[in-house]
Amino acid sequence: DQQVKQNSPSLSVQEGRISILNCDYTNSMFDYFLWYKKYPAEGPTFLISISSIKDKNEDGRFTVFLNKSAKHLSLHIVPSQPGDSAVYFCAALRFTGNTPLVFGKGTRLSVIA
Amino acid sequence: DVKVTQSSRYLVKRTGEKVFLECVQDMDHENMFWYRQDPGLGLRLIYFSYDVKMKEKGDIPEGYSVSREKKERFSLILESASTNQTSMYLCASSFGGAADTQYFGPGTRLTVL
Repeated sequence: DQQVKQNSPSLSVQEGRISILNCDYTNSMFDYFLWYKKYPAEGPTFLISISSIKDKNEDGRFTVFLNKSAKHLSLHIVPSQPGDSAVYFCAALRFTGNTPLVFGKGTRLSVIA
Repeated sequence: DVKVTQSSRYLVKRTGEKVFLECVQDMDHENMFWYRQDPGLGLRLIYFSYDVKMKEKGDIPEGYSVSREKKERFSLILESASTNQTSMYLCASSFGGAADTQYFGPGTRLTVL
C-alpha cells in the first residue's frame, strides 16, 4: 500500500507561471517531508523540506505547504523556469523512528518557454 | 561538497551473471541506501545500512544482497541477474539522523539481457 502518493505523473506549465506539485500521505506518523528534484541521467538532489510543526517553508522560488489535517503537501514554484523541468519526488518519514524515507512515484514537470 | 560515486554509469550483463554495483561516499556518512528507479514506480528502497557491517531490508530486497565492510563503501549484489532487474540503480548516503538530507550518486543504468 502506497504511503506517499503523487497522483499526477506529469504537469506542463508555461514559463513565468506558477507550478504546483501535489503529494498526499496516508501514514499519520510521518512528521517530516522533503522534496527532491531529478534530472535525467543524474541522481535526485534535495530541494526543500518541512517539519510537521510548520505549515509553510520557503526557499527562494520554492515554497512547500503542509496541511496536516488533510495529510497533504504541495510544492509551489514561482516563477517557473525552463530549468525547473525535471521529475519531482515527494518523500516522508517519521523523524524519531530513524526509518528510511518513503518516496512517492514522482511528477514530471515540463516548463514550456 | 558531498560526493557519492557509483562504479559504473552503464552496465550490460547476461541473465544468471553475478553483478556487483559499488557505491562510495566521501563525507563520513553513517547511513547508506540502495534504490532502484523504474518508470511509473518511482524510487524503491532495496537495502540500507546505518553502520558498518549492518544492513536492513528495504521494500524490495528479493534477489539482492548488500555488503558494507567499510563505512564509505556500500555494495549491492545481484546474485543471479534476471531481466526484471533491468533498472536504474541509485545509491545515497546521509549523515546521521533519519531526517538528514540524503545525497545521491549519479546512478547506474543496468541492462540484463
